[in-house]
Amino acid sequence: DGGITQSPKYLFRKEGQNVTLSCEQNLNHDAMYWYRQDPGQGLRLIYYSQIVNDFQKGDIAEGYSVSREKKESFPLTVTSAQKNPTAFYLCASSRASKVYGYTFGSGTRLTVV
Amino acid sequence: GDSVTQMEGPVTLSEEAFLTINCTYTATGYPSLFWYVQYPGEGLQLLLKATKADDKGSNKGFEATYRKETTSFHLEKGSVQVSDSAVYFCALSDRGDGNNRLAFGKGNQVVVIP
Repeated sequence: DGGITQSPKYLFRKEGQNVTLSCEQNLNHDAMYWYRQDPGQGLRLIYYSQIVNDFQKGDIAEGYSVSREKKESFPLTVTSAQKNPTAFYLCASSRASKVYGYTFGSGTRLTVV
Repeated sequence: GDSVTQMEGPVTLSEEAFLTINCTYTATGYPSLFWYVQYPGEGLQLLLKATKADDKGSNKGFEATYRKETTSFHLEKGSVQVSDSAVYFCALSDRGDGNNRLAFGKGNQVVVIP
């Protein structure tokens, strides 16, 4: 079955460390996205990529980095520069057309200890 | 820019009650409209969608009608169950440059009491 997989589901990080969240899709979707969700908050866009080897900053890109070397993969690195990284991170993918919406992964909960 | 507004605050109701969650939007073109549902600890799932004015999206007993004249896409269900307890997000996609970015509302927590 086609889908989008995020791993790990839970992640703990010490302060000052970088950590990378994985996102893989086998839907043959061109575009991929990373969102951050805080308790009681909506979704905030971190980065997005419409094609391989290209990506754009979203609304809250500071302290994060991404790469898009393969169509199927869009990993997110949370760097030590991110002041408040504890959150629920969601990855999504979509076709180019606006009529299809997004397919989301099941999320990664990151906690800084 | 494009935006979506959902009614403030959580919604608490009894089983078999009627549910309405309001959603209004602002867009410069002709958006596609979506409702997503998020169960605790999970990602978002597409619940229903409508791509042009007067379309009605429906799924699992939920319905929403794309009203261009009132720029609205309210979600309704006639008889809710405890299993409908979740967070519901309204979203739109309307990027004339072909970039399929969605604008999301803040979401509404729905709690159904037995």
